[in-house]
Amino acid sequence: EAGVAQSPRYKIIEKRQSVAFWCNPISGHATLYWYQQILGQGPKLLIQFQNNGVVDDSQLPKDRFSAERLKGVDSTLKIQPAKLEDSAVYLCASSSLGLAGGQETQYFGPGTRLLVL
Amino acid sequence: SQKIEQNSEALNIQEGKTATLTCNYTNYSPAYLQWYRQDPGRGPVFLLLIRENEKEKRKERLKVTFDTTLKQSLFHITASQPADSATYLCALGKTSYDKVIFGPGTSLSVIP
Repeated sequence: EAGVAQSPRYKIIEKRQSVAFWCNPISGHATLYWYQQILGQGPKLLIQFQNNGVVDDSQLPKDRFSAERLKGVDSTLKIQPAKLEDSAVYLCASSSLGLAGGQETQYFGPGTRLLVL
Repeated sequence: SQKIEQNSEALNIQEGKTATLTCNYTNYSPAYLQWYRQDPGRGPVFLLLIRENEKEKRKERLKVTFDTTLKQSLFHITASQPADSATYLCALGKTSYDKVIFGPGTSLSVIP
């Protein structure tokens, strides 16, 4: 079974520029997550999709971050304009409904390491 | 607001010993708790899940305990090996559909 794919793996941009990340979840997984992980910290959820609908985006800085999941499969996360504090690893994860009807186990991609100069 | 704390210092142990990592939480009542492993440059990998009505869970050399009174989980790796060196994250969730909240992680180094 193929894992969660993300691209690019690394990105260096200057502040105020824009950047986009792409994620392809595991086939059949209805739920997709974007996390931000700052060095030395745990992942922080930015947005959670169920199919192509948003379940939770309470921690997404909506003035500069946007995300979409067209057709309920792959997803893009965009930052425009970027700030220095956006330097982090952006992780995509997906999960499916389990036997209990829940989706606790998340499968993560390798992440995109973003450096804003 | 909810807070999750893990071992504040990196943990260094000798090969063959048991590593014990802690996860403490406040202002939260999770329905379940998970442990993930994260290697440098890679995404977290799921290891174990324990629910609020379970005291202990085992998987090969791994053991997790969950004490909802103390608001604490302990994660044990027995007969540790250098290959176990990684960062270990605990994560808490209220329901199967709610977001999971991650702790800051503990870095474990197993010395040969």
